[in-house]
Amino acid sequence: KAGVTQTPRYLIKTRGQQVTLSCSPISGHRSVSWYQQTPGQGLQFLFEYFSETQRNKGNFPGRFSGRQFSNSRSEMNVSTLELGDSALYLCASSSDGDQPQHFGDGTRLSIL
Amino acid sequence: GQQLNQSPQSMFIQEGEDVSMNCTSSSIFNTWLWYKQDPGEGPVLLIALYKAGELTSNGRLTAQFGITRKDSFLNISASIPSDVGIYFCAGRTMEYGNKLVFGAGTILRVKS
Repeated sequence: KAGVTQTPRYLIKTRGQQVTLSCSPISGHRSVSWYQQTPGQGLQFLFEYFSETQRNKGNFPGRFSGRQFSNSRSEMNVSTLELGDSALYLCASSSDGDQPQHFGDGTRLSIL
Repeated sequence: GQQLNQSPQSMFIQEGEDVSMNCTSSSIFNTWLWYKQDPGEGPVLLIALYKAGELTSNGRLTAQFGITRKDSFLNISASIPSDVGIYFCAGRTMEYGNKLVFGAGTILRVKS
């Protein structure tokens, strides 16, 4: 069974730009969650999508948004990038929100 | 910030030693999960716990869901070099809207 796939693996952007990250969940999984991982703050929850609806949201500014498609694939968008947005962005999927989440290898975003 | 207190922050192991780490919180949790993260990869699920007092093993790893539902521990027996990495506890509690919250991680290193 293929795992969670995130693309791209690495991305370099400059301040003020926007970025879109993609996540393909494990086949059959309908819940997709996004996390930001930084050395200082650890793993922070961004949002969760289930059946194309945002079901839960963390404490991040509105510049961070996401969506989920009918095939459960999800995208995350960050607009007006700031230096502090440099992080590893992880996507995790589960069959439903209460089941254990399985993570992809992340997208390493660097802001110059 | 982190809602789970994970300790120790880091530890050195010698091959063959047993290792213990734990997570505590002031909140009551209904799920505890333990993950391991290697450099450049996403966290990998090790053990999932769902009931107070539950003791679950996965090979040389054993984890327990604390009776008070406010803590969990992970033991690794007879450690081997490939055990090095970062171990995260994670849990779900209705106090945080059933979102998955993470500890800051325990870094396992090899004694030289």
